[in-house]
Order: sequence, then structure tokens, then C-alpha cells
Amino acid sequence: EAQVTQNPRYLITVTGKKLTVTCSQNMNHEYMSWYRQDPGLGLRQIYYSMNVEVTDKGDVPEGYKVSRKEKRNFPLILESPSPNQTSLYFCASKTHRESYEQYFGPGTRLTVT
Amino acid sequence: AQRVTQPEKLLSVFKGAPVELKCNYSYSGSPELFWYVQYSRQRLQLLLRHISRESIKGFTADLNKGETSFHLKKPFAQEEDSAMYYCALSGNTGFQKLVFGTGTRLLVSP
Repeated sequence: EAQVTQNPRYLITVTGKKLTVTCSQNMNHEYMSWYRQDPGLGLRQIYYSMNVEVTDKGDVPEGYKVSRKEKRNFPLILESPSPNQTSLYFCASKTHRESYEQYFGPGTRLTVT
Repeated sequence: AQRVTQPEKLLSVFKGAPVELKCNYSYSGSPELFWYVQYSRQRLQLLLRHISRESIKGFTADLNKGETSFHLKKPFAQEEDSAMYYCALSGNTGFQKLVFGTGTRLLVSP
């Protein structure tokens, strides 16, 4: 089944403890992106990648890192999580940068205490 | 700057009633506009795109450049339409960046 997967789906952690949220797609999509969803703010883009080894900042990149070493994977790294990064995170992918439809993962609910 | 405004957090209607979910945008160029929907326990998914001018699940949306609006409409709401709806905009530099509104929760009661 063509899909975007994220792991873990739920995570509770403490301030400062490095964590990685994985994202993988099996559709051979070039473009991948990370969003966070917060009440009253909708979805905001954190980082995106147009292809392997090509990444760029979105609207809210502070406190996050990403890497794109393989086409199918686009992990989101929080080097030193803080409580203001408590959020629902979505990974998305699409065929290439000019494609219009994004396919979303199921979401990862992160709580930082 | 690109901005999408959905003024209603919650819209509650009875089954069979007409529905209009409002979306206004701010963009200096020619935007591409979309509606995404998230049903309970499901992923966010594309509902419709303005350029296709399709009716999906009975929903339509017309881009009004004069009023900078892209309202989503359905003449007769169904209970299964209950979901979170997001309006989104992509600028004319390609679809690299999608800016979302804050979303409107539609509740359709029997």
C-alpha cells in the first residue's frame, strides 16, 4: 500500500533529551516535508526537502534539524527538545516540487515535559 | 506574504442543511488554492483543488479573486461530512510551499 509512515506515533519525553521522529514513504516521491499542528495555528511547515541531500527551512525551523540521505526517509531531529515543541507533527510527501497533492502521514503526538 | 484565514473554528449544522466553510487568502500573485480534509482517525487528505473545478463528495469551491475568497460549499450536509477542514494556498513559484489556514471543524448532527 502506498503510504507515508511515521514513528513513533506518540512520544512523551523530557526537556533536553534528543529525539528523532522518522518518516518514510514508499511512493518514490522526491519532495518531503514536515509540519507541526497547534491549536488555533493550523499546520505550519518546519522543513522541506526537494530531493536527496536538498533541504530547506520552512516557516518554523527553529529547534529542529532534518536530513535526507535517502529518497524514502526524512527524519525530524530535535536536538534539545523544549516544552514549546509539544505538538502534533505531520510528515508529507509528493511526487516532485511541481506536484500539487501532498500525501500525509498519520501524525506523531509529541509531549515535552 | 502568503496568508490563509478561516474565520470559523467550528461550524455546526443539521443533516440536510447547506454548508459554507469560509476561506480568505492574501497573496500578491496568482494563487493555487486547495481544501484538505481530516476525518476522525484518518490522515489529512486533499479534498479539492480550485483549478480542477470538480465537485468532490458534493463539495464545490469557487475562487473569487475580487474578494480573495475560496469558500467551500455543499448544498445538503451529511453526517459523514463531519471533519476538520483546512484551506491551503500555494503561490505561483510552484507548489513548494503550502500555507494552511487554522482549520474549521464541521459538525453535522442528525
